[in-house]
Parts: sequence; structure tokens; C-alpha cells
Amino acid sequence: GQQVMQIPQYQHVQEGEDFTTYCNSSTTLSNIQWYKQRPGGHPVFLIQLVKSGEVKKQKRLTFQFGEAKKNSSLHITATQTTDVGTYFCAGGTGGYQKVTFGTGTKLQVIP
Amino acid sequence: EPEVTQTPSHQVTQMGQEVILRCVPISNHLYFYWYRQILGQKVEFLVSFYNNEISEKSEIFDDQFSVERPDGSNFTLKIRSTKLEDSAMYFCASTTGTGSYEQYFGPGTRLTVT
Repeated sequence: GQQVMQIPQYQHVQEGEDFTTYCNSSTTLSNIQWYKQRPGGHPVFLIQLVKSGEVKKQKRLTFQFGEAKKNSSLHITATQTTDVGTYFCAGGTGGYQKVTFGTGTKLQVIP
Repeated sequence: EPEVTQTPSHQVTQMGQEVILRCVPISNHLYFYWYRQILGQKVEFLVSFYNNEISEKSEIFDDQFSVERPDGSNFTLKIRSTKLEDSAMYFCASTTGTGSYEQYFGPGTRLTVT
């Protein structure tokens, strides 16, 4: 079945440093979503990407969807302690029936 | 802002017992989902539900599991005979099914099987 892997699994950064997580799917995706899960919380939607090569920005966060629609990345510039959490990508292969969540990257920000 | 609600927040049950986890999705949403997350691990898809029937299910969603929308608002997940390995956080989610793929997650039910 479809697999979605993320690297790294964990990342510790000093506050103010940048952070990037990479997401790779075993199959071509029709769309990719990114979610953030705070410790003890539930996943919260950040963004969706649907076009090949698409780049979207949300303040300090930059999201990219690969040209082949099999990979994606999330980059955070100048991390803050409020960025702490686990970031998941979630890939869909068409329609609304199913998304497959990635393995997640847990971000710790050291003040 | 509308939100997905789930009850109970924590359920403790003995192995072999049946449990029902309840969710109230956002009212105008069309697709509903159940996910499972074992502590510290990824979010695993269990099942999606659309138009009063299962749309897709994963290999985890075996005969022990069932879903139902008994009325216009509740969406339930039943586990018939719980096993120790069913201990996890169970999240319900919903999406409009029109345009955006954004899924709105409930706060989750922590299931502990002893």
C-alpha cells in the first residue's frame, strides 16, 4: 500500500534557527496537506497543495509540492517556541476517501 | 467557529469488552473519518464514511470494527471485542467534501484496554 515517509523523525533547534521537514510518498499524489499536532493535542490543518511545483507561504512557513507530486517540504524560518509540535504531511491520491499521513517530524525549539 | 466533538475523552475497558466511541462532526460536512494514533506514533487512517456508507477502509479496520451514523449528527466507531493493542488515541475528523481537502479533527478519545 501507499507509504508516506518524513525525515527527520526528530529535530531540536535553537530558537531563531530555521527548520525543514521533508515528505516522500511511494505513489504519485493528487494533493498534499500539512498538519501540526501540539503535544497532547489533535492534528490541526495548516495548508493544502494540489499543483505540481506549487509553493505557498504562511508568514514564516513555506510549503512546496514537488514537480513529480511525490514529495513535499515544509520550511520554517526563524523558529519560535510556539512552533513546537509534530508536523505531519498527509497525501491524497484522489477524492476525499482517504489520506495517508506521513510518519511525522517532531520539532523541539530550545529557547 | 464550528468544531468536531468527541465523547468520552478517556475510556478504560477490559480486554474482550465492546466499546463505542462517539463523534459529532461539523454539521454541513459530507465526509467523516476515524483515525487511530498509538502514543508517539503517526496518525493511521481507519475508515471514511460518505452518504451513509463506508467509502474506504484500511487493513486495520477488520471485522472487529464498525461505524454508524445512527441519526443526523452522531458518528460512532464500535470495537466489538477489544484487544490490548487497541489502546490508542482515536480521532474523528470531517471535511466538507467540496473543494478543500482540509480535515477538521476532534479532540480525540483515549482508549485504554486493560
